[in-house]
Amino acid sequence: GAGVSQSPSNKVTEKGKDVELRCDPISGHTALYWYRQSLGQGLEFLIYFQGNSAPDKSGLPSDRFSAERTGGSVSTLTIQRTQQEDSAVYLCASQQGSYNSPLHFGNGTRLTVT
Amino acid sequence: DQQVKQNSPSLSVQEGRISILNCDYTNSMFDYFLWYKKYPAEGPTFLISISSIKDKNEDGRFTVFLNKSAKHLSLHIVPSQPGDSAVYFCAAESDSWGKLQFGAGTQVVVTP
Repeated sequence: GAGVSQSPSNKVTEKGKDVELRCDPISGHTALYWYRQSLGQGLEFLIYFQGNSAPDKSGLPSDRFSAERTGGSVSTLTIQRTQQEDSAVYLCASQQGSYNSPLHFGNGTRLTVT
Repeated sequence: DQQVKQNSPSLSVQEGRISILNCDYTNSMFDYFLWYKKYPAEGPTFLISISSIKDKNEDGRFTVFLNKSAKHLSLHIVPSQPGDSAVYFCAAESDSWGKLQFGAGTQVVVTP
């Protein structure tokens, strides 16, 4: 069945360049999350979209990070002027409804900033 | 601030024995708790959950226990199997919060 799809699976970029990471959630899921996992660390919350509500951006580490979700479906996470500390696995998850239902994760995008 | 804590980064257990993973939380508003399992190069997958109105939930070899007064939950895997070797994440949320908070994860290695 169709799960959460993320692209690219791997991305190597030079410091200072912009990158876009894409997430296709499960059809019909109203909530979408972005997390990242740095080497040896846990899952760090970045941003949360729920239906038509304003997104919860409280986890974005700097103003270089932004995300949008078009038409309540596909989401793009953009990192401008990448830094080496941005290197991590970026995970997207979608959720049917909200509270009290599990998240379904994609396999992530491994970002390496050289 | 880390509101969900998994203080054991790793756990090694023999096949057939019990694995016990622990998780502590600080926010008393959390009322729904989940465990996720993650294999390398894959996203986390949902394993089991528990609502704060319960103190135990069982699903096959997996049981989660919740002690609200201690703000502590644990995951028991019995018997442990080599395929259980993975990173396990504890997560918590509240109805008013809207997003899951994850712990740092515990790497479980099940040896034959």
